[in-house]
Amino acid sequence: EVQLGESGGGLVQPGGSLRLSCVASGFTFKNYAMNWVRQFPGKGLEWVSAISGGGGSTYYPDSVKGRFTISRDNSKNTLYLQMNSLRAEDTAIYYCAKNWNYAFDYWGQGTLVSVSS
Amino acid sequence: QSALTQLASVSGSPGQSITISCTGTSSDVGNYNLVSWYQQHPGKAPKLIIYDVNKRPSGISHRFSGSKSGNTASLTISGLQAEDEADYYCCSFAGSTTLFGGGTKVTVL
Repeated sequence: EVQLGESGGGLVQPGGSLRLSCVASGFTFKNYAMNWVRQFPGKGLEWVSAISGGGGSTYYPDSVKGRFTISRDNSKNTLYLQMNSLRAEDTAIYYCAKNWNYAFDYWGQGTLVSVSS
Repeated sequence: QSALTQLASVSGSPGQSITISCTGTSSDVGNYNLVSWYQQHPGKAPKLIIYDVNKRPSGISHRFSGSKSGNTASLTISGLQAEDEADYYCCSFAGSTTLFGGGTKVTVL
C-alpha cells in the first residue's frame, strides 16, 4: 500500500524559513517523480514543485521560484521542500504527491504552514 | 499563467447526470491530452479519478468519465450518488508548469 506522510509544518513569521519532509513507502521511491502541491485556506490548489526520480531535474512555478527548493534522499525514501523568504500568501496545507502519467496518483495527508507575525 | 476556470458549484438529484467544465487555453488544456480530475471530500486529501483526459485509475467507478473539446475539459458523473458530494478539481500539464482549476463543489440534492 502506497503511503505518504508529511511533517514539518507550523507557524512561522514573514521572511522566515521552514523545511517540510515527506516519507514514502509502498512503492519504489527512486523510480517516480514527486511533487509538492499546496491548498490555500480558500480551498484552491496550486502545484508548487516537482523533482525527477533521480533528483537531477527540478521544476517550480514562478510564484515560488528562487524561494523554495525541492530535493529528495532516495536512500531514505524521503522528499523535502525547503521554503525561504516565506510570505503570508504561502499559508496553506502542503501535500506531497506521487507523479504518474503527468497526474498525481497518491497524496499524503498534508501539513499546515501558517505565515503570520 | 492563470488557473483553469471552473464553475463554483453544480448540483443534481440522486440518479441524475451532471457535467463539470474546466476551461483553459491553447497553452494548456488545448495543447496537451494531459488533463486530470480530483475528488476531495472535507478534511481529506484530493483523490485522482481521471487522468489523460478520459482514463480511470484502477478502482474508480465507471460513473466518472472525462472528455475534452478544444480548450475545455469536462467531467461527467452519471447516476449521481450521495457519496459524490465533494469538491472536484481539474488539472492540466502546461509545459513548464501544471495548472489547477479553482474547484467545483458538487451538491447532491
